[in-house]
Amino acid sequence: EVQLVESGGGLVQPGGSLRLSCAASGFIFDDYAMHWVRQVPGKGLEWVSGITWNSENKDYADSVRGRFTISRDNARSSLDLQMNGLTTEDTAFYYCVKDSRSWYVQFDFWGQGVMVTVSS
Amino acid sequence: IRMTQSPSSLSASVGDRVTITCRASHNVKSYVNWYQQKPGRAPKVIISAASTLQSGVPSRFSGSGSETDFTLTISSLQPEDFATYYCQQSYSTVALTFGGGTKVEIK
Repeated sequence: EVQLVESGGGLVQPGGSLRLSCAASGFIFDDYAMHWVRQVPGKGLEWVSGITWNSENKDYADSVRGRFTISRDNARSSLDLQMNGLTTEDTAFYYCVKDSRSWYVQFDFWGQGVMVTVSS
Repeated sequence: IRMTQSPSSLSASVGDRVTITCRASHNVKSYVNWYQQKPGRAPKVIISAASTLQSGVPSRFSGSGSETDFTLTISSLQPEDFATYYCQQSYSTVALTFGGGTKVEIK
């Protein structure tokens, strides 16, 4: 059974940093691209960042480029998102998402999400 | 690439035929996926590559379109279909984008 379990969310002040992690199981992690997608409660979905199976490609939404860094550890089946320079506009649920292929095709399976709140 | 969905919400009755449209700002060929999200739940992919029904998804769901214009159709709305639906393009892999969503509510 595929499982994606996010951790690391919480309350942080504007300008602060947070690191999200996603523990994957139930599939061959290094066969698939992975993503982070966020959603402000009650609003729509926004793709944040993606990484191909071998970390050769790392891509970011314009809204986070230069502040967020995605990484993966295939040996540990884990995905991370380092978030720096956080603003109130980064407040959202953050989902760890598995792709259906080793590059970007579709968001195949979603974790349950973790809440990030940026507030003073 | 901007994805524009319409309508943003609709009210329909059980048994109705429902159509949701998604327009891409640039040609995305057939690289469009559709997701269903129920309240408090993570989204679930229901259609990939514009028209491929995902395993386990009822056949009343269908997708069509190419280039810039895409459609999700529910042929006979069921109670479990009340949810928010999103289109998403995967043509521009440096910047994947979603439509704004269509909330399907009970009339």
